[in-house]
Amino acid sequence: AQSVSQHNHHVILSEAASLELGCNYSYGGTVNLFWYVQYPGQHLQLLLKYFSGDPLVKGIKGFEAEFIKSKFSFNLRKPSVQWSDTAEYFCAVSIYNQGGKLIFGQGTELSVKP
Amino acid sequence: DVKVTQSSRYLVKRTGEKVFLECVQDMDHENMFWYRQDPGLGLRLIYFSYDVKMKEKGDIPEGYSVSREKKERFSLILESASTNQTSMYLCASSFLGQGTEAFFGQGTRLTVV
Repeated sequence: AQSVSQHNHHVILSEAASLELGCNYSYGGTVNLFWYVQYPGQHLQLLLKYFSGDPLVKGIKGFEAEFIKSKFSFNLRKPSVQWSDTAEYFCAVSIYNQGGKLIFGQGTELSVKP
Repeated sequence: DVKVTQSSRYLVKRTGEKVFLECVQDMDHENMFWYRQDPGLGLRLIYFSYDVKMKEKGDIPEGYSVSREKKERFSLILESASTNQTSMYLCASSFLGQGTEAFFGQGTRLTVV
């Protein structure tokens, strides 16, 4: 079965530190990749997505992610985090020709200290 | 704005009860999903539907069933609720096709006592 693995369960950073959250998936075919964010008390919302083309994808709030096909990875990055980035981050994969079925990773809780 | 509305934010049910969780979307999306969210386990897919009356099992369908009689509505049914089904349940919808964004409801926190 396809799966998505996020390496870090809980990350604690100080403001202005750089962020990188790891995501790997297990499927050899064509995929679409997503990062979703869930702020405390809010519903999940899309941060960014990779569909095709440039493997470096820019999203909202200064986030970006790089798709490395050979490593089955889609890591999320931000050069300088803010306290307001405190949230839970989920990586997700949609398998080509499975109608948009989304498989999520375990999530990474990010705590940013002011 | 896309809206995915779940009928309840909080529910408390007794063991053995039949439980219905309702979800409605207003964007004419073909796909609808039910996930459960548990700490450390992320979102696990229970069922999804890509058309009216069509459904596919996700990773953890045991103990659940679904109904999609109308395009905008997707119901999750717990046939006989058990305490291990205490969880946050999330509904989502998206257009059919590649790379389409899923939109989520606010979730239903179900407690089975």
